[in-house]
Amino acid sequence: ETGVTQTPRHLVMGMTNKKSLKCEQHLGHNAMYWYKQSAKKPLELMFVYNFKEQTENNSVPSRFSPECPNSSHLFLHLHTLQPEDSALYLCASSQAGTSGGTETQYFGPGTRLLVL
Amino acid sequence: AQSVTQPDIHITVSEGASLELRCNYSYGATPYLFWYVQSPGQGLQLLLKYFSGDTLVQGIKGFEAEFKRSQSSFNLRKPSVHWSDAAEYFCAVGARYGDGGSQGNLIFGKGTKLSVKP
Repeated sequence: ETGVTQTPRHLVMGMTNKKSLKCEQHLGHNAMYWYKQSAKKPLELMFVYNFKEQTENNSVPSRFSPECPNSSHLFLHLHTLQPEDSALYLCASSQAGTSGGTETQYFGPGTRLLVL
Repeated sequence: AQSVTQPDIHITVSEGASLELRCNYSYGATPYLFWYVQSPGQGLQLLLKYFSGDTLVQGIKGFEAEFKRSQSSFNLRKPSVHWSDAAEYFCAVGARYGDGGSQGNLIFGKGTKLSVKP
């Protein structure tokens, strides 16, 4: 399998449920990202992991909890979500340099999440 | 702070017609610039990118974009649109090495949805 994969592709959950989104990259990259894409809003960067360490958390509510056990896998743990959290969650990866700057990010197909 | 503006929310063109999607950015220096395309229910696919050098960049699927520093623009063009080009297009800007800013952060525009008439 190539590129960036995400599972599940679709998820429906209640506000009291706990679920996890999984992302796997097969590109040998060392940085991974979670984005949220809502209708009529720009893509919002949620978390950045560089060399497995979280380097960015854009004021994301604590009901979203990321985990990056290695440079190929990224999880987003979800608990007690709200209906407004319904969105497409996209994972991306890149080969990050050590002196800053933005390298090309490659995206997965996303998980369409519906919170009831 | 970096920002990206895509002034057109929705554009409709006839198949075979030329296309230009606008993108304006705000950045203190010369940024890294990207165009991505998203088909319904799919993730984002990179069309092309500008890092340095020739300001006219060629991408996949017959797309090209031109970086114009004086206009802070990076417009996407295609000479002849195909029905399969119907999708949403996103322009993004990222920090350049040495300019500081958050490493890895891409700032996206709100996107332009392209419809193609037969």
